[in-house]
Amino acid sequence: DAGVTQSPTHLIKTRGQQVTLRCSPKSGHDTVSWYQQALGQGPQFIFQYYEEEERQRGNFPDRFSGHQFPNYSSELNVNALLLGDSALYLCASDGTGTDTDTQYFGPGTRLTVL
Amino acid sequence: AQSVTQLDSHVSVSEGTPVLLRCNYSSSYSPSLFWYVQHPNKGLQLLLKYTSAATLVKGINGFEAEFKKSETSFHLTKPSAHMSDAAEYFCVVSDRGTSYDKVIFGPGTSLSVIP
Repeated sequence: DAGVTQSPTHLIKTRGQQVTLRCSPKSGHDTVSWYQQALGQGPQFIFQYYEEEERQRGNFPDRFSGHQFPNYSSELNVNALLLGDSALYLCASDGTGTDTDTQYFGPGTRLTVL
Repeated sequence: AQSVTQLDSHVSVSEGTPVLLRCNYSSSYSPSLFWYVQHPNKGLQLLLKYTSAATLVKGINGFEAEFKKSETSFHLTKPSAHMSDAAEYFCVVSDRGTSYDKVIFGPGTSLSVIP
């Protein structure tokens, strides 16, 4: 049973560029959440997708957008990158059933903005 | 509003001695509480969770946590630290009773284990 997978593992971009990060949820899960973890800090919630729609959003600007596909996989897009966007981006999934409030995390994508 | 406070940013223990990582929370609803561990350059791994069943929760790798509603605490303990326990630990609250879960992470506690 594959867990949550993310790609790429590492990414280097320059200021002003755009980036797309990808996530495949754990088998059987239909909800995907994205988090930003800056160095030395706890993860901060960006947004959550369910049934291909953004269900809730944290305190992040519109430069951060996402998408969920019919197979429940998800993308996180960040436009007009800033130096401060450098962070580990974590994807988490959960699903309907008896364990709905337990999120399972992927290994993350390390984004460096130069 | 929800919040999570981890009372120590860094804890250092000797191998074989007990571990105590402290967490206090505030929540408007009936919360679920979690502890996650993050080893260097790795993703987050669930250690244990509380969801209004038994107040003493046992997790993986010998960790356990006790939910104390009167103290709004959910401290993580382990009787005997192992070198492999050195990592970052996050206390997390998730509010149920709303239309969807809202998940808040604490700032983390870095655990060092001295040989």
